[in-house]
Amino acid sequence: GNSVTQMEGPVTLSEEAFLTINCTYTATGYPSLFWYVQYPGEGLQLLLKATKADDKGSNKGFEATYRKETTSFHLEKGSVQVSDSAVYFCGSGSRLTFGEGTQLTVNP
Amino acid sequence: EAGVAQSPRYKIIEKRQSVAFWCNPISGHATLYWYQQILGQGPKLLIQFQNNGVVDDSQLPKDRFSAERLKGVDSTLKIQPAKLEDSAVYLCASSFGTTGGAFFGQGTRLTVV
Repeated sequence: GNSVTQMEGPVTLSEEAFLTINCTYTATGYPSLFWYVQYPGEGLQLLLKATKADDKGSNKGFEATYRKETTSFHLEKGSVQVSDSAVYFCGSGSRLTFGEGTQLTVNP
Repeated sequence: EAGVAQSPRYKIIEKRQSVAFWCNPISGHATLYWYQQILGQGPKLLIQFQNNGVVDDSQLPKDRFSAERLKGVDSTLKIQPAKLEDSAVYLCASSFGTTGGAFFGQGTRLTVV
């Protein structure tokens, strides 16, 4: 079945820094890929998605590109804000398998 | 558009008691998921329904957990009897298909003492 591996966290950055959170997947075929964000005390919110190879998902300044050659879907943002502090989950496939999550803290 | 509704938001029970969680998905969403999220971990899929049929329940501890989705709309997840290690947030999610991502409810935080 599908599995997802995220970079170990937590990640702490200063405001306006560049963000990368790594995600790699294993699967048969080419599953849809997702990034979800979870703010404290809330459920998961879909941040962006890509359904086929070379697709780029983007939302709220975040981007991720579906790379089948490296089986990766890394999340990036050029300039993070304090309000981006949350836990980010990479997900894969129709069963929606998740990684362990990466806690991001952005300091002013 | 109303989101995924879950109740209760919080529940505290003693071990060996039973508990039930309820989920009302977004109208028209055929796929419904139940996840268990232990503190500090990613959500783990317990069961996935397509309408009122089970698509995947391979990670559901069937000796104590059960779930149903009568009429292909609302769903309930039950634990009987509960163990201390069942303390977690139980998340319900729904989607129209299976490739576009799912919408999540706010979850039910279960504490077993």
